[in-house]
Amino acid sequence: AQSVSQHNHHVILSEAASLELGCNYSYGGTVNLFWYVQYPGQHLQLLLKYFSGDPLVKGIKGFEAEFIKSKFSFNLRKPSVQWSDTAEYFCAVNAKGGFKTIFGAGTRLFVKA
Amino acid sequence: ETGVTQSPTHLIKTRGQQVTLRCSSQSGHNTVSWYQQALGQGPQFIFQYYREEENGRGNFPPRFSGLQFPNYSSELNVNALELDDSALYLCASSLGLVLGRGGYTEAFFGQGTRLTVV
Repeated sequence: AQSVSQHNHHVILSEAASLELGCNYSYGGTVNLFWYVQYPGQHLQLLLKYFSGDPLVKGIKGFEAEFIKSKFSFNLRKPSVQWSDTAEYFCAVNAKGGFKTIFGAGTRLFVKA
Repeated sequence: ETGVTQSPTHLIKTRGQQVTLRCSSQSGHNTVSWYQQALGQGPQFIFQYYREEENGRGNFPPRFSGLQFPNYSSELNVNALELDDSALYLCASSLGLVLGRGGYTEAFFGQGTRLTVV
């Protein structure tokens, strides 16, 4: 069965600090990978996605993620966070040809101004 | 704004009652998925509808059922509500591809319906 593990449930950073949120998935086949963000009081929205090709993908708001197939990982990074990045971040995976997207439990990021 | 709208935004029901939640998909999207997000957890997949037929289901009992209409709007019905059904229910629409040919495009989420069962 597919599963997604996010290593940190809560992260607190100061503005301008670098961010890396870990995500590992469990699935033996080919997958699509996603990071979603949920700002306070808002809906889930897509930060970035990986379907195929270059394993380093760039998303909105300066975020990027690297797919490392051998490690089943899809870590999210941002070189310098801002107070407005305070939100909950979800890693998600679906199997190519599959019908459901599996989400991790989420990481709450709080950025101190 | 994602173009996916859900109603109502908040709902309080009594244990044992039935509830219907509604979702209007983004224009042109023929696939809708429903998720349950309990407090402090990630969204859990309930089921998915593609062109009015259920084409996948997660680990939820049969009292969770759904419908998708010709205009691709959707309903989630929950019978015999239990206290543990209290959660945020999310609808996500996407443009489904043919199964087996690479999966689906990204999903666009609505803001959810907050259901409280007392």
